[in-house]
Amino acid sequence: GIQVEQSPPDLILQEGANSTLRCNFSDSVNNLQWFHQNPWGQLINLFYIPSGTKQNGRLSATTVATERYSLLYISSSQTTDSGVYFCAVGTSGTYKYIFGTGTRLKVLA
Amino acid sequence: NAGVTQTPKFQVLKTGQSMTLQCAQDMNHEYMSWYRQDPGMGLRLIHYSVGAGITDQGEVPNGYNVSRSTTEDFPLRLLSAAPSQTSVYFCASSWQGPRSEKLFFGSGTQLSVL
Repeated sequence: GIQVEQSPPDLILQEGANSTLRCNFSDSVNNLQWFHQNPWGQLINLFYIPSGTKQNGRLSATTVATERYSLLYISSSQTTDSGVYFCAVGTSGTYKYIFGTGTRLKVLA
Repeated sequence: NAGVTQTPKFQVLKTGQSMTLQCAQDMNHEYMSWYRQDPGMGLRLIHYSVGAGITDQGEVPNGYNVSRSTTEDFPLRLLSAAPSQTSVYFCASSWQGPRSEKLFFGSGTQLSVL
């Protein structure tokens, strides 16, 4: 089955810094989403981005489907950005979302 | 809309006990799924359903049963709990699975099996 790898596994930033999180996947996908799991465990959908670029405030995401990776950019990070960021992919012909193991981000005040 | 509602939020079981984790959604989603989250392993798919009466296995189905008698509800049953099933369980739904833009999650159930 498809493999999803995220890097880095852990990231510590000072407030105001920028960061880039990466998601690599091993096969073609027709669905790719980024999620943020906050310190209370809640999972929030950030982006649906099987290809192209999207921006939402300080967050943006880019997926290069032909090269099988996606990037999540966080600019001017805030302590509320702390948590775990997951990417999840879906492939045509299946009804399964496969998640990466996540990037744990800690933003220090 | 309440979205995806999971109950209970916390549960402690003894080895061998059975229980059902409840999941309900009010968005008329066809697709519903269960995941377990263990430290360092991300979310792993247990079972999923693409509509009432239709279920299938995910990556880690052993020890769990599901059924889907209505569009709204997708309960997860542990028939004989084992310590290896200690985990956080999430229910999620979307309009048509990976053909949909967004997957919506419940708030999770933290299960401990002693």
